[in-house]
Amino acid sequence: GEDVEQSLFLSVREGDSSVINCTYTDSSSTYLYWYKQEPGAGLQLLTYIFSNMDMKQDQRLTVLLNKKDKHLSLRIADTQTGDSAIYFCAESILVVEDSSYKLIFGSGTRLLVRP
Amino acid sequence: DVKVTQSSRYLVKRTGEKVFLECVQDMDHENMFWYRQDPGLGLRLIYFSYDVKMKEKGDIPEGYSVSREKKERFSLILESASTNQTSMYLCASSLAADRTDTQYFGPGTRLTVL
Repeated sequence: GEDVEQSLFLSVREGDSSVINCTYTDSSSTYLYWYKQEPGAGLQLLTYIFSNMDMKQDQRLTVLLNKKDKHLSLRIADTQTGDSAIYFCAESILVVEDSSYKLIFGSGTRLLVRP
Repeated sequence: DVKVTQSSRYLVKRTGEKVFLECVQDMDHENMFWYRQDPGLGLRLIYFSYDVKMKEKGDIPEGYSVSREKKERFSLILESASTNQTSMYLCASSLAADRTDTQYFGPGTRLTVL
């Protein structure tokens, strides 16, 4: 089946690192994504990683992918109060019947950054 | 920059009313999507469209219909709104040739049905 799971809540102090974890079940995932949603706003694509990569770094963001364990994580270095938001993990999987792709989203992790 | 806009940020309707949610993208994307977002349930796909006049049911299409008369515009229609359709509705678009299938989202419409 297709399922993406995340913990619901994470609280960190400003300046610390945050690590948001995600597990998925479909081994045919091609790309995995992290989206950020700030209060009252839509989803913003933060970063993505191809399934044959282990790691991707983009400024303060580091994505780690353990394909064997089907585990994806997002590390935010030097977390700031402006990073407070809901973070969604998503996987892109192939729909064999019509060769299309679809995104499966987790339910989101609410990150609270305390001053 | 990709821009996806939605006609309203907040909408309040009464039970039984017909509701139109409009979404427009300006990047010539073939694919467009409608999701609803509810606390603890994440994003759930209602309908998507991969071309003008083409539509496919997502995971929760019941109570909704869609219209794609022009490539840039994808409308979500609630024929007879009910209180359980109170939710945040998010529109997204993606480029068919993009193998990453990266979807770009609008700001969302928070719909309340009284």
